[in-house]
Amino acid sequence: TQLLEQSPQFLSIQEGENLTVYCNSSSVFSSLQWYRQEPGEGPVLLVTVVTGGEVKKLKRLTFQFGDARKDSSLHITAAQPGDTGLYLCAGATGGGNKLTFGTGTQLKVEL
Amino acid sequence: GAVVSQHPSWVICKSGTSVKIECRSLDFQATTMFWYRQFPKQSLMLMATSNEGSKATYEQGVEKDKFLINHASLTLSTLTVTSAHPEDSSFYICSRQGVRNEQFFGPGTRLTVL
Repeated sequence: TQLLEQSPQFLSIQEGENLTVYCNSSSVFSSLQWYRQEPGEGPVLLVTVVTGGEVKKLKRLTFQFGDARKDSSLHITAAQPGDTGLYLCAGATGGGNKLTFGTGTQLKVEL
Repeated sequence: GAVVSQHPSWVICKSGTSVKIECRSLDFQATTMFWYRQFPKQSLMLMATSNEGSKATYEQGVEKDKFLINHASLTLSTLTVTSAHPEDSSFYICSRQGVRNEQFFGPGTRLTVL
């Protein structure tokens, strides 16, 4: 069974702080996605990374895919209350169409 | 705009009754859709893969006779929770697949079984 462990599990910070969320596995993934989910809604795709070592930026969010394609990180600069939510990484393997979801990181950004 | 819709958004039912949840792909003919359940403050758990015109593929530990999935058209998959019990109360979410294995999720359905 493939597992994607995220850390930290919970994070509560003040507006303006920086943070990093980690997504680790012993399995190799062909691609990895990050999603954000708000209470009572479905997850929304933030980014897809495909190449080992790839870095993608989405405004204040920076995503990195590990060189070996086993891990990923999400860095948020100058966090805002609107960043509050559940962040989920998800990996795809080979030609399969199923995603393995990470354990999730609940982020709360307070004023 | 939304690419996947779900109906209803929430439902409350009595124990022993059956509940049907619809998932529609609004912008794409989806031969494959997915059904997840999610408990509070936890990640998504894949229940089954819904295949248009054929039987769904269930994950280990998911009772196929309890969670009936029908994917009769390229834009509609349904999940029926049969003889629901309080432990079936959860947030059920469907999704369709994108071109790079990403998934586009519906808004979810909150099921409460009394």
